[in-house]
Amino acid sequence: AQKITQTQPGMFVQEKEAVTLDCTYDTSDPSYGLFWYKQPSSGEMIFLIYQGSYDQQNATEGRYSLNFQKARKSANLVISASQLGDSAMYFCAMREAQGGSEKLVFGKGTKLTVNP
Amino acid sequence: NAGVMQNPRHLVRRRGQEARLRCSPMKGHSHVYWYRQLPEEGLKFMVYLQKENIIDESGMPKERFSAEFPKEGPSILRIQQVVRGDSAAYFCASSPAGGTRNEQFFGPGTRLTVL
Repeated sequence: AQKITQTQPGMFVQEKEAVTLDCTYDTSDPSYGLFWYKQPSSGEMIFLIYQGSYDQQNATEGRYSLNFQKARKSANLVISASQLGDSAMYFCAMREAQGGSEKLVFGKGTKLTVNP
Repeated sequence: NAGVMQNPRHLVRRRGQEARLRCSPMKGHSHVYWYRQLPEEGLKFMVYLQKENIIDESGMPKERFSAEFPKEGPSILRIQQVVRGDSAAYFCASSPAGGTRNEQFFGPGTRLTVL
């Protein structure tokens, strides 16, 4: 079974509007972390936001917020006031504490296009 | 504070040659991770190393691939006798020891093309 599922291969949004990128995860570990990364066409991986499984509040970082619904195992990324520079691939990733490995498991990504 | 550095940024090899990819972690970081990204795919974990130790190599192909992180110098991902299917972007990430969330900082990647 996939650990991280991003069901939206592509999304379109008008400039200045908000957009939600979906991410669901699967784990039996009570302690885990969820990450979102942005990959523009230039190829680098840019960290956006982190949510710990025990965090009481949803994470926010500037225009990025994470809609964390633990019971549903979802960690959707919300980008407010979209900008043209937000056009990129977005990857959701999970780190589990079990086994001592710190590896990240990534979803297949969502390609976001911001239209002027 | 320099970020994670990878070199070369682009590497072209012919089938059967060896590829060596280098990664210098951020200053103060002692954990290094290698990931591979095939075209149109997400990143796939390969190996997790600390200084002089391989902690988790569950994502490494059993043959032709090896990784090291010596006491001095960068981490090296080595691919022997490359094949066309090895063409991909290889990302290195680093994180500090400890920390509550162990955020991984990524390098710019090395794009390997096998002719």
